Amino acid sequence: DAKTTQPNSMESNEEEPVHLPCNHSTISGTDYIHWYRQLPSQGPEYVIHGLTSNVNNRMASLAIAEDRKSSTLILHRATLRDAAVYYCIPSGGATNKLIFGTGTLLAVQP
Amino acid sequence: DTAVSQTPKYLVTQMGNDKSIKCEQNLGHDTMYWYKQDSKKFLKIMFSYNNKELIINETVPNRFSPKSPDKAHLNLHINSLELGDSAVYFCASRSKTEAFFGQGTRLTVV
Repeated sequence: DAKTTQPNSMESNEEEPVHLPCNHSTISGTDYIHWYRQLPSQGPEYVIHGLTSNVNNRMASLAIAEDRKSSTLILHRATLRDAAVYYCIPSGGATNKLIFGTGTLLAVQP
Repeated sequence: DTAVSQTPKYLVTQMGNDKSIKCEQNLGHDTMYWYKQDSKKFLKIMFSYNNKELIINETVPNRFSPKSPDKAHLNLHINSLELGDSAVYFCASRSKTEAFFGQGTRLTVV
């Protein structure tokens, strides 16, 4: 299982962009990079995933380094509802299991 | 219409009791999981099932026994409950691209 390193916490102001970094230097060639988030008192929810190319969806963008050893989740305009713990998870292979690390606690100030 | 539903939401029980948590998904996914989130908020995978068959057992004590009567259900039975079993338990189901989590069951052993 690939190990990940994320900042313990980050802070942002409402309506500003947020860049959440993740290092996954031991990622295997077939692992996708998944991002999930967990809002207070809820189960984790899917945010985005990618393999090599940058990805966009309605929630966020994912920028993947060319060597795939790091990635950045981008929230274009943070809202109070985006306050959560964000997890980056390399996943793939035969078992395709999602192993959660400690994540980044994002605080959004009004 | 809840995609992944768990019952009960809260469970308070005495040490030594046996209890079950039920999980149902209406997404048609083949893969389902159980996770445990302890008081330090660390999310740990416990079991993974694919099409009613166990594929991952992450060194969980054998007091924990998952049961999958059909593809849509993955129940968790816990024997001889201990204080250390107190946690929030999340069920999830997964498509090829993303996992959907239930709202969690908060188990308190007294």
